[in-house]
Amino acid sequence: SYDLTQPPSVSVSPGQTASITCSGDALPRRLVYWYQQKPGQAPLLVMYKDTERPSGIPERFSGSDSGTTVTMTISGVQADDEADYYCQSSDISGKNVLFGGGTRLTVL
Amino acid sequence: EVQLVQSGAEVKKPGDSLRISCKASGYLFHTYWIGWVRQVPGKGLQWMGIIYPGDSETRYSPSHQGQVTISVDRSISTAYLQWTSLRASDTAIYYCARHICPYGDDCYGDYWGPGSLVTVSS
Repeated sequence: SYDLTQPPSVSVSPGQTASITCSGDALPRRLVYWYQQKPGQAPLLVMYKDTERPSGIPERFSGSDSGTTVTMTISGVQADDEADYYCQSSDISGKNVLFGGGTRLTVL
Repeated sequence: EVQLVQSGAEVKKPGDSLRISCKASGYLFHTYWIGWVRQVPGKGLQWMGIIYPGDSETRYSPSHQGQVTISVDRSISTAYLQWTSLRASDTAIYYCARHICPYGDDCYGDYWGPGSLVTVSS
């Protein structure tokens, strides 16, 4: 079966840049989305269509793609950015949606 | 303002049936896909499926096809997730989410409900 691979954890100090990757063979042909989830809360969309930010999401959040790996970058990380981040995409058909395993961002 | 209000927590026994709901407001219900995402507490997100209220077209993930039923009642802008026979492994938080499917595929959830905790235990 098709999988999306994320690093389990990323740690950065406040003010530094955090990069969270998402890898999958179909990513060159499929769109990727990113969600932020804090403890006890529903996921929040923070990036869509690879590089677009929804209204209200700080400019510190950005996205890029390079073949089979897509990266979400958070510049000038703040304590409030500490959360689990999930990438989401589809298999090659575009019909079957799946999530990556999630990355816990820790702000030291 | 888009809002998704989900039904409350449920405690059920294995073999019980259950239907949980998600009432949408703040947008034209029949013009957006709406679906369900599962999360076992402490674990990751699992996409279950979506339905288009306009014509009731439904898409399920392969792992949930045949295990649950997603439906809508357009008259009350409400989506449902239903089980006929629950198992302990169905214990999870279930989120409903309004979905957008650019170009018909590559769907994603732009607004999410707060989640409904379903506990299945004997």
